[in-house]
Amino acid sequence: KAGVTQTPRYLIKTRGQQVTLSCSPISGHRSVSWYQQTPGQGLQFLFEYFSETQRNKGNFPGRFSGRQFSNSRSEMNVSTLELGDSALYLCASSLADGYEQYFGPGTRLTVT
Amino acid sequence: EDQVTQSPEALRLQEGESSSLNCSYTVSGLRGLFWYRQDPGKGPEFLFTLYSAGEEKEKERLKATLTKKESFLHITAPKPEDSATYLCAVQDLRTGANSKLTFGKGITLSVRP
Repeated sequence: KAGVTQTPRYLIKTRGQQVTLSCSPISGHRSVSWYQQTPGQGLQFLFEYFSETQRNKGNFPGRFSGRQFSNSRSEMNVSTLELGDSALYLCASSLADGYEQYFGPGTRLTVT
Repeated sequence: EDQVTQSPEALRLQEGESSSLNCSYTVSGLRGLFWYRQDPGKGPEFLFTLYSAGEEKEKERLKATLTKKESFLHITAPKPEDSATYLCAVQDLRTGANSKLTFGKGITLSVRP
């Protein structure tokens, strides 16, 4: 079974630009969660989608948004990039609540 | 607010020297506690899920245990390939229907040959 895939793997953007990251979950998984990982803050929850609906959102500004498509693939968007948005963005999928989440390799975003 | 604290922050072991990693947590109601392993530049790799106090899970040299306030990841006779960052995360029953995980900062384990 194929794992969670994320594209692109690396991205360099300039302050003020916007970026879209993509995630394809494991086949059959309907829940997709996004996390930001930085050396200082560790892994922090961004938001979670289930059957195209956002069920929960972490404590991040409105510049961070996402969506999920009918095939469970998900995208997240960050607008008006700031230097502090430089991080590893991880996507995870799971079968249902309470089940383990499987993570993708992440997208390394660098904002200059 | 859910909280997860892992200790120590870093641990250096000699090959074969057994030890334990600690994860203390505070949640309104525990749906599940998860252990992950993360290698540099990669996404976390799932290891174990524990659901109730007293539960234990084992995989090769790793054994995870759970009490009402903490979880331990015991590493028996570690090898250099066990070197990684070990992450602990909890899922709270009372946040409703969603899969949000709250993570600790992780424990960086180095095993010397």
